[in-house]
Amino acid sequence: EAQVTQNPRYLITVTGKKLTVTCSQNMNHEYMSWYRQDPGLGLRQIYYSMNVEVTDKGDVPEGYKVSRKEKRNFPLILESPSPNQTSLYFCASSLGSGRGGSDTQYFGPGTRLTVL
Amino acid sequence: GQQLNQSPQSMFIQEGEDVSMNCTSSSIFNTWLWYKQDPGEGPVLLIALYKAGELTSNGRLTAQFGITRKDSFLNISASIPSDVGIYFCAGPPLTGAGSYQLTFGKGTKLSVIP
Repeated sequence: EAQVTQNPRYLITVTGKKLTVTCSQNMNHEYMSWYRQDPGLGLRQIYYSMNVEVTDKGDVPEGYKVSRKEKRNFPLILESPSPNQTSLYFCASSLGSGRGGSDTQYFGPGTRLTVL
Repeated sequence: GQQLNQSPQSMFIQEGEDVSMNCTSSSIFNTWLWYKQDPGEGPVLLIALYKAGELTSNGRLTAQFGITRKDSFLNISASIPSDVGIYFCAGPPLTGAGSYQLTFGKGTKLSVIP
């Protein structure tokens, strides 16, 4: 089954404790992206990757890191989480053909992160 | 980044009624996308629009790409309870990186009363 998986689905942590949210897709997609969703703000893009070893900042990259060492994986790293990073996080992927991000983006199920 | 203004923010409608929501931008978009997010799930693409004036249907859903390229609307006909969710418009801003970024509207939360 074609899908985007994220782990963990739920995470409660404390300020300053490094964490990684994993994202994996099995569709051989070139393009992957991370979003955060907050009430009243909709979805905001954090980082995206157009291919292996190619990443770029989205609209709200501060406090986050990403890496794309393999095509299928795109982990989101919070080196020193803070309470304002409490949010619902989504990973997405798409084929990455000529239309780029306007390809059909497949979203993962979400990771609900709480930073105390 | 660019902003998409989506309205209304929320709607309560009776089952069987038609629904209309829209999205506007202060700048031109070359692509308009409409997504639906069910509770507890990630967004799913409903309709993609690529040309100004384009009118596209997907079952009971119809979306149009505005002639000015600064707006789009989504209509749902004969609503049913499973239409409940949050509907987002989205589009790639015109940047040097091409269309790899997506900007989302803040969403329209739809509630259907049986």
